[in-house]
Amino acid sequence: AQTVTQSQPEMSVQEAETVTLSCTYDTSESDYYLFWYKQPPSRQMILVIRQEAYKQQNATENRFSVNFQKAAKSFSLKISDSQLGDAAMYFCAYKGTSGTYKYIFGTGTRLKVLA
Amino acid sequence: DARVTQTPRHKVTEMGQEVTMRCQPILGHNTVFWYRQTMMQGLELLAYFRNRAPLDDSGMPKDRFSAEMPDATLATLKIQPSEPRDSAVYFCASGPGRGADTDTQYFGPGTRLTVL
Repeated sequence: AQTVTQSQPEMSVQEAETVTLSCTYDTSESDYYLFWYKQPPSRQMILVIRQEAYKQQNATENRFSVNFQKAAKSFSLKISDSQLGDAAMYFCAYKGTSGTYKYIFGTGTRLKVLA
Repeated sequence: DARVTQTPRHKVTEMGQEVTMRCQPILGHNTVFWYRQTMMQGLELLAYFRNRAPLDDSGMPKDRFSAEMPDATLATLKIQPSEPRDSAVYFCASGPGRGADTDTQYFGPGTRLTVL
């Protein structure tokens, strides 16, 4: 069965600095999708970025980028120029392609941004 | 700006009462998911649908929970009778289920349920 592990329950970053959130996963599938979702205090789950496993190029969305290491089964999220509005829970999620629409979520990392 | 909508946003009820939560998926999306989020269990998938047909409800307590899609624009999650341990935030998400964005889920704002 697939698993997703976020080993950092909490992280802090100074405003304008860069922070990296870790995510590792375990799967026997060769094709799959990976996601990062942000959950601010409002509780809304917001898609930050997605990565298709067959693409070697790391996905980027403005200040957010990923470091996808398929062999190591690692999918970290880098936030550059951190802003106060980035403070939230961040969830990593995995979705296989073998006939399922299910996501496997990690337990989340709480990011604090210090002014 | 297409969004998943959920009603009610907050619900406080007493143990034993029926609770109905509603979700309007993004127009054109054919997959719908129900999740429950608690501090202890994190995000749990309760059930999901494709083209209004239930594909998996193994995460749902069958004796008291039920999920349906009466039509393509409405999904419902019912709890009868409710118990204090059902207190949680319930999220609905929808996905296009096809095309370039087929595997992405878009979440609603959630319903915060408190059962006294």
